[in-house]
Formats: sequence, C-alpha cells, structure tokens
Amino acid sequence: DTAVSQTPKYLVTQMGNDKSIKCEQNLGHDTMYWYKQDSKKFLKIMFSYNNKELIINETVPNRFSPKSPDKAHLNLHINSLELGDSAVYFCASSQDQGWAQYFGPGTRLLVL
Amino acid sequence: QKEVEQNSGPLSVPEGAIASLNCTYSDRGSQSFFWYRQYSGKSPELIMFIYSNGDKEDGRFTAQLNKASQYVSLLIRDSQPSDSATYLCAVSLSGGSYIPTFGRGTSLIVHP
Repeated sequence: DTAVSQTPKYLVTQMGNDKSIKCEQNLGHDTMYWYKQDSKKFLKIMFSYNNKELIINETVPNRFSPKSPDKAHLNLHINSLELGDSAVYFCASSQDQGWAQYFGPGTRLLVL
Repeated sequence: QKEVEQNSGPLSVPEGAIASLNCTYSDRGSQSFFWYRQYSGKSPELIMFIYSNGDKEDGRFTAQLNKASQYVSLLIRDSQPSDSATYLCAVSLSGGSYIPTFGRGTSLIVHP
C-alpha cells in the first residue's frame, strides 16, 4: 500500500522533448507538492496544490505545468526539455498546508 | 530572502554517541519545523516535527526549538551506523500559503 507513488521512476529523454510525471497519494491529504532536487541535493519547492487549487508557484519556467485532476493526483508536464532540467523530481503530500509532508519515491530525469 | 541554514558536514560520530544537528532560520514568523532523513538515492522521510518552544522526544530522537534564537536542532542518542544519512531541516514560513523551505541538509556518518 504505497502512500505516495510516482511514475515513471526513471526518465531518459532528448533535449526538446515533452514529458509528463504522474503522482498519486492514497492518504486522503488535501495538499500536494512538486519538488526538484538538483545534483547538489538541494530540495526546492516548485508547485503546491490545495484541494485542486494552485497555492504555490515558485520561480519556475513556464515550460513546467502542473495539473491536479482531483485531490489525490498531481501531475507535472514539462515542455521543451533542457539539459538543466536533469534532476530528481519528488512529489509529496500533506494533510493540510504547513503540515508534515510525505514524499514519493522520486522520478530521476536525465535530459541528453 | 527567507532562508534555512544547515552545516553541510559531514558530521562524523562514533557508534553509541549523541549526534547533534543544527538548523537556523531567518523568518521570525515561521510556525512549523520538521526534520527529515534522506538516505542516498531515496526520498526524504519524516522523523520529527515540532511547533512549540522546548524539547520533543520520540525514541532516540529529540527535537529542540528556540524561536527567540531562531534555531531548531535534532539530537540522536545512541547513534547507529544505520543513522548515517542526510538530515534535512524544513520550515513552514508565514505568509498565508505556508511555503515550505528546506535547508541543504547535514550529512551524518556514524562509524562503528
């Protein structure tokens, strides 16, 4: 019974391609997040949704577009992938804003 | 800019010793404080959260919060080699959207 799941776990693609990462949580949480962890292991918030509404949108290129079809799902679509997009992307959820977060296993994206 | 600072380490302690991990934050309005553990190649895992000044104990872990001095610490008693990981401090900042900010993490090595 995985609490927060992400697909795919690994993603290798060419520059300029478009890709999506999916996230699902079965914890009944209201808030979901996308984080990027770079090669230096810094974990940076990208987006957050609360009850399907976008509440946090940090300084992220507009090539990145989140979508929350319902409270249990938060997907991330990336257009025109660049080399600098290579990182590990983590999805997380929390019961409400500001509460403890539970992370998915991560999606390792490598752009060639 | 709102920041969360941690010493990157590595902090090296012998097995059985107390490991002390520290974190400072810049926003006095911060309300919620979290410690996560991240093993290499894995996702962050919640260890402790603390909201009020003072100490909070859970097994071998103790979180300490001092809002006046703007620091939060994590003590690990009877350190084990399995505690070797990166420890991330996270702070939910004030401002309505409870934007979570992570420190860069402290690498802990517990040697036998």
